[in-house]
Amino acid sequence: GAVVSQHPSWVICKSGTSVKIECRSLDFQATTMFWYRQFPKQSLMLMATSNEGSKATYEQGVEKDKFLINHASLTLSTLTVTSAHPEDSSFYICSAYGTSGTKSSYEQYFGPGTRLTVT
Amino acid sequence: DAKTTQPPSMDCAEGRAANLPCNHSTISGNEYVYWYRQIHSQGPQYIIHGLKNNETNEMASLIITEDRKSSTLILPHATLRDTAVYYCIVRVATGAGGTSYGKLTFGQGTILTVHP
Repeated sequence: GAVVSQHPSWVICKSGTSVKIECRSLDFQATTMFWYRQFPKQSLMLMATSNEGSKATYEQGVEKDKFLINHASLTLSTLTVTSAHPEDSSFYICSAYGTSGTKSSYEQYFGPGTRLTVT
Repeated sequence: DAKTTQPPSMDCAEGRAANLPCNHSTISGNEYVYWYRQIHSQGPQYIIHGLKNNETNEMASLIITEDRKSSTLILPHATLRDTAVYYCIVRVATGAGGTSYGKLTFGQGTILTVHP
């Protein structure tokens, strides 16, 4: 199956700083990518959907000015958590589907996740 | 997208088949049944999906009832590495090219524990 990578796998930052998380599709082109957040012992919650070359669509309750998403190419999307606070500490997971050759993929592939801890 | 109901937890002995049920009684005609699993501290992993016919791949089998209101994921020979949270998700998915995909909405899933 298709491979999605994330960088970094874990990050610790101080309150008030910003942190950027990268999501890459390694062997396929991802026209659409998704960002999820998962708090301990909870399920994944969709934060936003990003389409290459256009603005991201955020889920209700997710602050677009705090969670900046850039999907500048068919293989890279970034999530920047601005002015991070301890309550932003979470497991952030990206996901992607798109074209692989001439066939669209029905399956949505997930990255390994990024553990963010804000102190 | 239709909601799904799964038991919160299940146990299975190593080497035996694990049968994970899922109810999706409000499923629509254009909604597929997807299964993902999440091993602790990792991203979800795609397992299998189907519309109305039973499906099988190298990981699992998916049995969908004739009325499509429920399904069962079968891991034929569970191993310790199959211990994970298993998510059953119903999602709209139409054909290739100009496709409209529904969102993958995760519920609480079933915690499957495979023991020796």
